[in-house]
Amino acid sequence: DTAVSQTPKYLVTQMGNDKSIKCEQNLGHDTMYWYKQDSKKFLKIMFSYNNKELIINETVPNRFSPKSPDKAHLNLHINSLELGDSAVYFCASSQDNFSEQFFGPGTRLTVL
Amino acid sequence: QKEVEQDPGPLSVPEGAIVSLNCTYSNSAFQYFMWYRQYSRKGPELLMYTYSSGNKEDGRFTAQVDKSSKYISLFIRDSQPSDSATYLCAMRKAAGNKLTFGGGTRVLVKP
Repeated sequence: DTAVSQTPKYLVTQMGNDKSIKCEQNLGHDTMYWYKQDSKKFLKIMFSYNNKELIINETVPNRFSPKSPDKAHLNLHINSLELGDSAVYFCASSQDNFSEQFFGPGTRLTVL
Repeated sequence: QKEVEQDPGPLSVPEGAIVSLNCTYSNSAFQYFMWYRQYSRKGPELLMYTYSSGNKEDGRFTAQVDKSSKYISLFIRDSQPSDSATYLCAMRKAAGNKLTFGGGTRVLVKP
């Protein structure tokens, strides 16, 4: 019954590796987002997709690539992981591009 | 200087007290204002969503917006230990849904 789910919940990996985080929403929403929350709790938007189309692409290294296979899924692939990528990554969704955003439980990424 | 400023706390209050939280912002283009609650190791959960200046009340929560001063507040009445969490303010411009968050205030309500 989870509205916005993410896998995995925890991810520990070495520098230089490539990893993916998956997000799924069962709310029938059209818009999905990826946020990064650093150690100081600042939550910052990275990407937003509306009906599988990229609509927000903040200043994020191109090592980060979102992929939306369908409206209910938005995955985040990260290449060549760096220490500074360690953070909690949150997926969110909203009915459209103006409505309330519902957040997933987060994925805690630790790069060693 | 960040667009949205929020005191990180922690803010410690006894059970039953009023919790008062606030954010200031610098960009007058922000038109919609939100408060989220985030429990430890959980995702943010929307508490209040306001548009215009003034007050909005929902149960024990009251949100205030003063656009002229670029200042928003959240008040929690009759605070409970279960209100212990980090409270994040967020705001967005009229167009699009890009939220800009404050850094959050950690609140501890002691029994």
